[in-house]
Amino acid sequence: SQTIHQWPATLVQPVGSPLSLECTVEGTSNPNLYWYRQAAGRGLQLLFYSVGIGQISSEVPQNLSASRPQDRQFILSSKKLLLSDSGFYLCAWSSSGAYEQYFGPGTRLTVT
Amino acid sequence: SQQGEEDPQALSIQEGENATMNCSYKTSINNLQWYRQNSGRGLVHLILIRSNEREKHSGRLRVTLDTSKKSSSLLITASRAADTASYFCATGGGGADGLTFGKGTHLIIQP
Repeated sequence: SQTIHQWPATLVQPVGSPLSLECTVEGTSNPNLYWYRQAAGRGLQLLFYSVGIGQISSEVPQNLSASRPQDRQFILSSKKLLLSDSGFYLCAWSSSGAYEQYFGPGTRLTVT
Repeated sequence: SQQGEEDPQALSIQEGENATMNCSYKTSINNLQWYRQNSGRGLVHLILIRSNEREKHSGRLRVTLDTSKKSSSLLITASRAADTASYFCATGGGGADGLTFGKGTHLIIQP
């Protein structure tokens, strides 16, 4: 069966510090991968998606970036965090051509 | 921009009662999905209904879709305390598209 992992689970970082969140998927090949952010009490906002290694599309302009160095690894990064980057970050995967997405447990990021 | 809007924003019912949540969306769709999120957790896919379907069942869940009104409803029958969660409708997906979510309905089941 397929599983999706995210780490760390929680993170507290000062403004201006770098960020690296990691997501890995097991049990499937060539998945579509997604990063979402959820602000407190709100729905999810799509940040990035990827259909393959090195292929990243961005949905919103921001100081975040994403990379996909391996087929089942998706990384969300920032060189300098802003207070507004605080939130709950969720990684998800889907099979190519499928509509359903499967989410990881999320990373709670607090920028202080 | 948000595609779906759930209604109500919050719902509190007694255990054993039925819970109904509604979702409205703005543009034409291929399908609509419902997800559940327990507090502080990731989302769990519940059910997908395609644009050519009007109703779909899965266990205690019943989803309807009215494309003429651009609306969907999720009915949870015989609610349980474990159903306490936020419920989101989502559109899009497929190919490389991400999902567009509403703000969700927070459901509380009182024991």
